[in-house]
Amino acid sequence: DAKTTQPPSMDCAEGRAANLPCNHSTISGNEYVYWYRQIHSQGPQYIIHGLKNNETNEMASLIITEDRKSSTLILPHATLRDTAVYYCIVSGGTSYGKLTFGQGTILTVHP
Amino acid sequence: DTGVSQDPRHKITKRGQNVTFRCDPISEHNRLYWYRQTLGQGPEFLTYFQNEAQLEKSRLLSDRFSAERPKGSFSTLEIQRTEQGDSAMYLCAGGGQKNNEQFFGPGTRLTVL
Repeated sequence: DAKTTQPPSMDCAEGRAANLPCNHSTISGNEYVYWYRQIHSQGPQYIIHGLKNNETNEMASLIITEDRKSSTLILPHATLRDTAVYYCIVSGGTSYGKLTFGQGTILTVHP
Repeated sequence: DTGVSQDPRHKITKRGQNVTFRCDPISEHNRLYWYRQTLGQGPEFLTYFQNEAQLEKSRLLSDRFSAERPKGSFSTLEIQRTEQGDSAMYLCAGGGQKNNEQFFGPGTRLTVL
């Protein structure tokens, strides 16, 4: 699976949009971009995934660049409960769906 | 709540003892994964089951570790002769056929004294 690079930490004010970047320059054509988050002392939670088109669900939006070498997860109106570690993961091909987690981005939402 | 349960939630054991953890995914989860997470790190893949077949094992899974999924439903992870380096959170995740979305349980935190 392709490797991803994320900033170690980010801050966001409550009510504002949180934009979390991820670089995955070695992504291959059949690999998806996944985002998971992990709130302290809980198991990771699936947020969203995409192949090459932008995606939106009730939790977030995923913007993937045209060359697929980077993506941005957008939480449109961050709340204090969105404080968590956010993981950007590239997975697919013959990996049986296993997820390779990096260090992630610690997002802290401030009042 | 993902519907995936793990038991026990916490386990404290002495070095050299054997421990067994259980994971119960929901019935639609024909895929089941085990991960291990140490403090400050992201989860690391350990092994994967498709129904009852164990299809992939990480090099992290030494011969002291064994996992089973006898009827394609619940799964167990056993660690024999535990070492202090085994102290970690052990996470289980279930998944269906739809893409790679995985549903994680709350984890079992193991402390080896």
